[in-house]
Amino acid sequence: TQLLEQSPQFLSIQEGENLTVYCNSSSVFSSLQWYRQEPGEGPVLLVTVVTGGEVKKLKRLTFQFGDARKDSSLHITAAQPGDTGLYLCAGVTSGTYKYIFGTGTRLKVLA
Amino acid sequence: KAGVTQTPRYLIKTRGQQVTLSCSPISGHRSVSWYQQTPGQGLQFLFEYFSETQRNKGNFPGRFSGRQFSNSRSEMNVSTLELGDSALYLCASSIASEADTQYFGPGTRLTVL
Repeated sequence: TQLLEQSPQFLSIQEGENLTVYCNSSSVFSSLQWYRQEPGEGPVLLVTVVTGGEVKKLKRLTFQFGDARKDSSLHITAAQPGDTGLYLCAGVTSGTYKYIFGTGTRLKVLA
Repeated sequence: KAGVTQTPRYLIKTRGQQVTLSCSPISGHRSVSWYQQTPGQGLQFLFEYFSETQRNKGNFPGRFSGRQFSNSRSEMNVSTLELGDSALYLCASSIASEADTQYFGPGTRLTVL
């Protein structure tokens, strides 16, 4: 069974601090996605990483895919209250048409 | 371009009843996936449909079923509801394959009493 473990589960930080969220698996994925979900809404895609070692930046967010394509990290610089939400990673293996979602990291950024 | 729509948004049922949820994908999207989201188990894959065919399914009992119509709209059905079926049911659509971006709907919040 493919599993994606995220850490930490919960994070409460002050505005302006930096943070990193980790997504780990023993399985290899063809690609890995990061989503943010806000209450009452479905997850919204932030980024997709495909190549081992790939680094992508989205404003203050930096995403990295592990060399072996088994893990990923999300780093947020100078967090803002608008970053508050549930962050989910999801991996997919080509040909399976099935996304495996991580356990989620609930982030709260205090003003 | 309209997003993924799900109906109804909220539903209250009692144990033993059955329920049907509906999902209309983004125009031009032919793949529809369903997920169950609960606080304890997180987001879990139910099944995925493409061109009216189920291509994969998750580890859920046979009480959970789905189908897709020729216009790509999809429905999922849960029979003999149990308290543990209370969850947010999310639908996501993509153009065709898992390499394409998934777009999620707002979900249907099902409460089983």
